Amino acid sequence: GNSVTQMEGPVTLSEEAFLTINCTYTATGYPSLFWYVQYPGEGLQLLLKATKADDKGSNKGFEATYRKETTSFHLEKGSVQVSDSAVYFCALLSSNTGKLIFGQGTTLQVKP
Amino acid sequence: DAGITQSPRHKVTETGTPVTLRCHQTENHRYMYWYRQDPGHGLRLIHYSYGVKDTDKGEVSDGYSVSRSKTEDFLLTLESATSSQTSVYFCAISGPDRVLDTQYFGPGTRLTVL
Repeated sequence: GNSVTQMEGPVTLSEEAFLTINCTYTATGYPSLFWYVQYPGEGLQLLLKATKADDKGSNKGFEATYRKETTSFHLEKGSVQVSDSAVYFCALLSSNTGKLIFGQGTTLQVKP
Repeated sequence: DAGITQSPRHKVTETGTPVTLRCHQTENHRYMYWYRQDPGHGLRLIHYSYGVKDTDKGEVSDGYSVSRSKTEDFLLTLESATSSQTSVYFCAISGPDRVLDTQYFGPGTRLTVL
């Protein structure tokens, strides 16, 4: 079946530190991959996406590359800010079922 | 931002009472979804709709029903609320007419069942 596994949180970083949040997936077919971000008290916002192998999604300084050989879609940012504190969800959209499958979410806290 | 609103945004109710949550979109997208968010589970699909009067069950549909009489509105009903249905509920849309398009989410409804 389809599944997404994210690294356990919370992740606590100092401002300007490098961020990596790991995400691996299991899927049949050719899924699309997404990162969503949820700021406190808000809904989910699309952060970036990639629809095929080797695609790189990027937005607001965040990047993730669709790696089919390692079934991964790790989220990275070179220099985090306090305003990046949020919960980050990795998700895959199954090409077979059309269903969006989420990881459990990773909380990021950035301290000044 | 996608034009998605949810109402109410917060609700407290008692066990055994019926509850209806509303999702309204202004994007004319074909596909609409209801998810619940619980700690440690991410988001899980409750029901979805692929058109007016066309709905189907998701992963955690027990205790929930849905209706879609207009393209823009998708209703989620808890016929008899239980404490296990205390959660944050999110509506999402995708389209305009492909199920494999990106899903966009509403602001959520926080439901507490006492």
